[in-house]
Amino acid sequence: GDSVTQMEGPVTLSEEAFLTINCTYTATGYPSLFWYVQYPGEGLQLLLKATKADDKGSNKGFEATYRKETTSFHLEKGSVQVSDSAVYFCAHTTDKLIFGTGTRLQVFP
Amino acid sequence: DAGITQSPRHKVTETGTPVTLRCHQTENHRYMYWYRQDPGHGLRLIHYSYGVKDTDKGEVSDGYSVSRSKTEDFLLTLESATSSQTSVYFCAISESIGSDNSPLHFGNGTRLTVT
Repeated sequence: GDSVTQMEGPVTLSEEAFLTINCTYTATGYPSLFWYVQYPGEGLQLLLKATKADDKGSNKGFEATYRKETTSFHLEKGSVQVSDSAVYFCAHTTDKLIFGTGTRLQVFP
Repeated sequence: DAGITQSPRHKVTETGTPVTLRCHQTENHRYMYWYRQDPGHGLRLIHYSYGVKDTDKGEVSDGYSVSRSKTEDFLLTLESATSSQTSVYFCAISESIGSDNSPLHFGNGTRLTVT
């Protein structure tokens, strides 16, 4: 069945470090791909999205590229900040949105 | 922020009691969803609605029912609460569904504890 697999956390980094959070998916059809972010005590917010192969979604310094050949949508940021500390969810949709289990990022000064 | 209000924000209830959670939106979006969030499981869809009085089950619908009598309100009812339903519940809305890639907008969640 359709699913999303993302790396387990927590991911712990120092400020200004490079971030990668891996995400792979299985889906029937041709899904759109998303990264959502959840800050403490809040609901999820859309961070970025990509709707077709080789599209790159970007927002707030984060990027992810839709790789159909590897069924992946890895999240990257070149220099993380303490304020990026949150839980990040990869998701895809064909008829309904399916989420990964989330990856907690902790950034220390 | 999308206009989504969940109530209550926190609730503690006893096993066997019925509980209703409310989601209210001011965006006039057609689609509304209830998810639960649990450690190690991410978000799992309970039920969703694609219009007034039109609802369908998600992947973890057992023990839950929903109603949507108005566009702006989507109610989630736990018919007889169990400890396994202790969770954080999120309501979400979207303008469309499926491969049209309309993003979801989430409320701030309801933390439910069943003792």
